[in-house]
Amino acid sequence: EAGVAQSPRYKIIEKRQSVAFWCNPISGHATLYWYQQILGQGPKLLIQFQNNGVVDDSQLPKDRFSAERLKGVDSTLKIQPAKLEDSAVYLCASSLVVFGGARENEQFFGPGTRLTVL
Amino acid sequence: AQTVTQSQPEMSVQEAETVTLSCTYDTSESDYYLFWYKQPPSRQMILVIRQEAYKQQNATENRFSVNFQKAAKSFSLKISDSQLGDAAMYFCAYRSAIKAAGNKLTFGGGTRVLVKP
Repeated sequence: EAGVAQSPRYKIIEKRQSVAFWCNPISGHATLYWYQQILGQGPKLLIQFQNNGVVDDSQLPKDRFSAERLKGVDSTLKIQPAKLEDSAVYLCASSLVVFGGARENEQFFGPGTRLTVL
Repeated sequence: AQTVTQSQPEMSVQEAETVTLSCTYDTSESDYYLFWYKQPPSRQMILVIRQEAYKQQNATENRFSVNFQKAAKSFSLKISDSQLGDAAMYFCAYRSAIKAAGNKLTFGGGTRVLVKP
């Protein structure tokens, strides 16, 4: 079974530029998550989708971050314009269902995209 | 809001020895799930072990076991017979069992495990 795919693996940009990250979840997984992991910290949820609808985006800085999940499969996370404090690893994860016992909604993570904003 | 605290930034262990990582959490909920994730330098988070709060029995997965103390809100991870491949960052995570909370994971700050040959 193919895992969660993300691209690019690394991205370096200047502040005020725009950047986009792509995520392809495990086939058949209804729920997709984007986490931000700042160096030395644990991941923090930015946004959660169920199919192509948003379940939770309470911690997404909506003035500069946006995300979409077209057709309930792939997802794109965009930052525009980027700030120095956006330097982090952006992790994508997916799970089979939104809610259920621990095993049914285990989250599987991709390799992440490391963003450096100069 | 729930919080997860890992008080040990780094732990060192000799190969084949045992190391225990600490995790405490704060919640007012009675039903929830707790997890330990491993993050090697490749950055991919890998689930190590899970614990359902309603279960009194501590979870075990091969060389990994937990000590779940619900009243104390403590959830430690023991790695037995440590191997070089165990070297990584380890994150403790909490997930509510309340449907309205969705499936969000709340992570601690992580503990780096170093394994000495």
